[in-house]
Amino acid sequence: DQQVKQNSPSLSVQEGRISILNCDYTNSMFDYFLWYKKYPAEGPTFLISISSIKDKNEDGRFTVFLNKSAKHLSLHIVPSQPGDSAVYFCAAKDGRAGSYQLTFGKGTKLSVIP
Amino acid sequence: GAGVSQSPRYKVAKRGQDVALRCDPISGHVSLFWYQQALGQGPEFLTYFQNEAQLDKSGLPSDRFFAERPEGSVSTLKIQRTQQEDSAVYLCASSPNTDTQYFGPGTRLTVL
Repeated sequence: DQQVKQNSPSLSVQEGRISILNCDYTNSMFDYFLWYKKYPAEGPTFLISISSIKDKNEDGRFTVFLNKSAKHLSLHIVPSQPGDSAVYFCAAKDGRAGSYQLTFGKGTKLSVIP
Repeated sequence: GAGVSQSPRYKVAKRGQDVALRCDPISGHVSLFWYQQALGQGPEFLTYFQNEAQLDKSGLPSDRFFAERPEGSVSTLKIQRTQQEDSAVYLCASSPNTDTQYFGPGTRLTVL
């Protein structure tokens, strides 16, 4: 039973346009969410995070939106650049005491076309 | 600054062989995590250390998997009697707390 779902395995976007990556979760105890970017043969690189007390967090070209009632978050990249081409993982952390692990989705491969 | 490092980057083992994978976390990071990533999947949690204490090993798939962090810094993940289903990328992550985790490059283990 997947608690974090990224339903789009891949996404292609033209350079300069907006990339929107989506993530849904089922566990209502998740209270911290992260996006990681992964290039081939490298480990995941932390991009941006959001706490459940917020609905938006912005860092440069990257913005994460959280809709708690829908159990949905999204990552917006504006403008998209060819170097953004990578696999993006959504991850979530359970807020209960004694819970430390991140639960990941399966990833979305983003291709930014020059 | 130096990030999380892992060694070896690639390991090929014959079925039944024991392997040891090393993780050097970011200096001063209290928390250390191991994850397993199968092809086409997201990372899956294996175990968690806070300093030298292993607080959660609920993700270890069998008793052939063992992890340690004796001095609260470097950690080793050991897999005994490797099986083909153990083939995966093993990722180590460290964190100054337990929220944002910073990952190493991973060790790709192939069991023949």
